[in-house]
Amino acid sequence: GENVEQHPSTLSVQEGDSAVIKCTYSDSASNYFPWYKQELGKGPQLIIDIRSNVGEKKDQRIAVTLNKTAKHFSLHITETQPEDSAVYFCAAGHFILTGGGNKLTFGTGTQLKVEL
Amino acid sequence: EAGVTQFPSHSVIEKGQTVTLRCDPISGHDNLYWYRRVMGKEIKFLLHFVKESKQDESGMPNNRFLAERTGGTYSTLKVQPAELEDSGVYFCASSQGGRFRDSSYEQYFGPGTRLTVT
Repeated sequence: GENVEQHPSTLSVQEGDSAVIKCTYSDSASNYFPWYKQELGKGPQLIIDIRSNVGEKKDQRIAVTLNKTAKHFSLHITETQPEDSAVYFCAAGHFILTGGGNKLTFGTGTQLKVEL
Repeated sequence: EAGVTQFPSHSVIEKGQTVTLRCDPISGHDNLYWYRRVMGKEIKFLLHFVKESKQDESGMPNNRFLAERTGGTYSTLKVQPAELEDSGVYFCASSQGGRFRDSSYEQYFGPGTRLTVT
């Protein structure tokens, strides 16, 4: 089955700096890579995703890159703000032909702290 | 549009008791998933419904766990009898049906149910 590794487990940055979280996956059949942000007391919130037919995707201050050959993908947050502090999860999945949907395998999470 | 809702938000039970968790997906979402996060570890897949049918239940730990989705709307996850290792946060997620191929990838999570077995 799929195995996703995520690093680092904790990350502390100064406000305004950039933050990078990296993940690797093992199953070459995976074609969907979402990133989730989980704030205290809430469920994971989808913040950005990338499909295997593209190498990079950007949405304002966040961007994801995907290297299918090396089987790794990364989340980049620029100009970090205190409200970016949360746990971030990467995941990998593939589309299920019968009925749709997909089964996600998650990394262990990164606790990001943005300090003033 | 209302998001995924879960009930209860917290549950504390004794070993050997039974607990039933409920999930209401986003209206119209055919796909419903259950996941669990044990303290400090990854979020692990439990099972996936397409409408009322179990598409994949490969992540269910053992036969003490029973999930249902009668009528293809809300779902319940029953743990009977509960063991200490069942403690964790149980998340439910939903996504659109297969005919919306692109958007069926996107899973939206509920706030979770924190289960503590003592």
